[in-house]
Amino acid sequence: ETGVTQSPTHLIKTRGQQVTLRCSSQSGHNTVSWYQQALGQGPQFIFQYYREEENGRGNFPPRFSGLQFPNYSSELNVNALELDDSALYLCASSLPGQKNYGYTFGSGTRLTVV
Amino acid sequence: EDQVTQSPEALRLQEGESSSLNCSYTVSGLRGLFWYRQDPGKGPEFLFTLYSAGEEKEKERLKATLTKKESFLHITAPKPEDSATYLCAVQASGGSQGNLIFGKGTKLSVKP
Repeated sequence: ETGVTQSPTHLIKTRGQQVTLRCSSQSGHNTVSWYQQALGQGPQFIFQYYREEENGRGNFPPRFSGLQFPNYSSELNVNALELDDSALYLCASSLPGQKNYGYTFGSGTRLTVV
Repeated sequence: EDQVTQSPEALRLQEGESSSLNCSYTVSGLRGLFWYRQDPGKGPEFLFTLYSAGEEKEKERLKATLTKKESFLHITAPKPEDSATYLCAVQASGGSQGNLIFGKGTKLSVKP
């Protein structure tokens, strides 16, 4: 079975620009979550998508938005980039209700805002 | 406020020297506690999920235990390839299913 794949792996953007990050969930997983991980910190929950609807959101401003597609893949969009948005962005997929489930993470997209 | 605290921040062991990592949590109802391993520049790799106090799970040299306030990750006779950052996360019963609350992690270094 394929795992979670994210693209691109690295990205450099200028402050004020917009960025779109992509995620393909693990085969059979219908739920996708996005996390932001700053250097030396644990991941922080941004939001989750289930059946193409956002069904949970962390403490992030509206300029962080997302989409989920019918094949369960997902996008994270960030508008008006700020220097503090520089981080590793992680996508995780899961299949709620599965016994002993664990969220499967991708390798992440390293975003640098200059 | 739901939160997770991991200790120590960093741990240096000699190969074969067993030790434990601690994860203390406060959460309004625990749906699950997760342990992950993260290598530099990579995403977290799933290790265990624990659901209730008294539960234990093992995988090779790793054993995770859970009480009502904390979890331990015991590493028996570690090898250099066990070097990584170990992350603990909790999922609260009141939150959305995807909302894992992570600690800052314990960076483990195992020297040959």
